[in-house]
Amino acid sequence: DQQVKQNSPSLSVQEGRISILNCDYTNSMFDYFLWYKKYPAEGPTFLISISSIKDKNEDGRFTVFLNKSAKHLSLHIVPSQPGDSAVYFCAASGQTGGYQKVTFGTGTKLQVIP
Amino acid sequence: ETGVTQTPRHLVMGMTNKKSLKCEQHLGHNAMYWYKQSAKKPLELMFVYNFKEQTENNSVPSRFSPECPNSSHLFLHLHTLQPEDSALYLCASSRQAHTEAFFGQGTRLTVV
Repeated sequence: DQQVKQNSPSLSVQEGRISILNCDYTNSMFDYFLWYKKYPAEGPTFLISISSIKDKNEDGRFTVFLNKSAKHLSLHIVPSQPGDSAVYFCAASGQTGGYQKVTFGTGTKLQVIP
Repeated sequence: ETGVTQTPRHLVMGMTNKKSLKCEQHLGHNAMYWYKQSAKKPLELMFVYNFKEQTENNSVPSRFSPECPNSSHLFLHLHTLQPEDSALYLCASSRQAHTEAFFGQGTRLTVV
């Protein structure tokens, strides 16, 4: 049972336009959400996070939106740059099976076309 | 460079071999993790150490054995693995358990 879902395995966006990566979750106990970026042959790198008490967090070109009622979060990158091409993982932290843990999605591969 | 170093980067081992993966962090973090990433699957949390104490073992087979001698080092001892254990093994650390994590570059393991 996948508690964190990234339904789009890939996304292509033109340079300069907005990239929107989506993530859905099922566990209402999740209270902290994170986005990671991963380049080939490297480990994931933390990008941005949001607490469940907020609905938006912005850091430069990156903004994360949280819709708790829909159990949905999204990462907006604007403007998109070729260097943003990577796999983006959504992760959620909260009580799962009696433990506090972080659960990852399967990732979305973003390609920014110059 | 994230401050988390994993060795080796690549490992090929036979099913009867014994090998160990090493992870080191000097970020002053209190929590360390082993994750497994298989193709087309989410990152799977294997083990969590918080202040050198193992706090979780997510139903990982006993052929994987973690060791955390101090808060800066984490090992994953491997023995009698199966070909389906071939994957990218990632180590991570965080200041507190289950917060923003810093990942190493991973060890690409192939079991033949």
